[in-house]
Amino acid sequence: AQSVTQPDIHITVSEGASLELRCNYSYGATPYLFWYVQSPGQGLQLLLKYFSGDTLVQGIKGFEAEFKRSQSSFNLRKPSVHWSDAAEYFCAGDYGGATNKLIFGTGTLLAVQP
Amino acid sequence: DGGITQSPKYLFRKEGQNVTLSCEQNLNHDAMYWYRQDPGQGLRLIYYSQIVNDFQKGDIAEGYSVSREKKESFPLTVTSAQKNPTAFYLCASSITIHQETQYFGPGTRLLVL
Repeated sequence: AQSVTQPDIHITVSEGASLELRCNYSYGATPYLFWYVQSPGQGLQLLLKYFSGDTLVQGIKGFEAEFKRSQSSFNLRKPSVHWSDAAEYFCAGDYGGATNKLIFGTGTLLAVQP
Repeated sequence: DGGITQSPKYLFRKEGQNVTLSCEQNLNHDAMYWYRQDPGQGLRLIYYSQIVNDFQKGDIAEGYSVSREKKESFPLTVTSAQKNPTAFYLCASSITIHQETQYFGPGTRLLVL
């Protein structure tokens, strides 16, 4: 079955440190891939997306993600984390077909230490 | 500014009551979606609509109903048949149904009294 997996439930980093959040998609057809961020009690904001082409994708707020077909991964990175980056991050994939249904990972909750 | 609005922000449901969550968009998008979010489970698709007067069940449609009478509006009714309605509900829209970016509203939290 098509799936998106985020192996890390919680991650804590120090402010100013680098960040990498992991995302793996199920093997097979490559989905369109998305990273969203959610602050507590809020909706989801799109950070970046990958449809095709350049495998390193730049997004908003200084985030980037790299698509690696060989590893079925689409990891999110930021070189220097700010306290305002504390939130929950969701990876999602759209495998196409008739529904345009997004398949979401279970999310990674990021805490930032001062 | 274009966007998606959801109301109310919080909603309380009594036993046996139907409640309706509002979702409005002014992005001129054809497709709209309803997701349910529970802690630790990500988001799950309830219903989606690719065009006015059309809608389809998602993965967890039981106990919910929708309508799409206007392009801008896609209300979700949580019926008394939904035995565990407490969750955060998110509405989204996209230009079309075919592998387009989905944009989300701010959400409605439904609580049971």
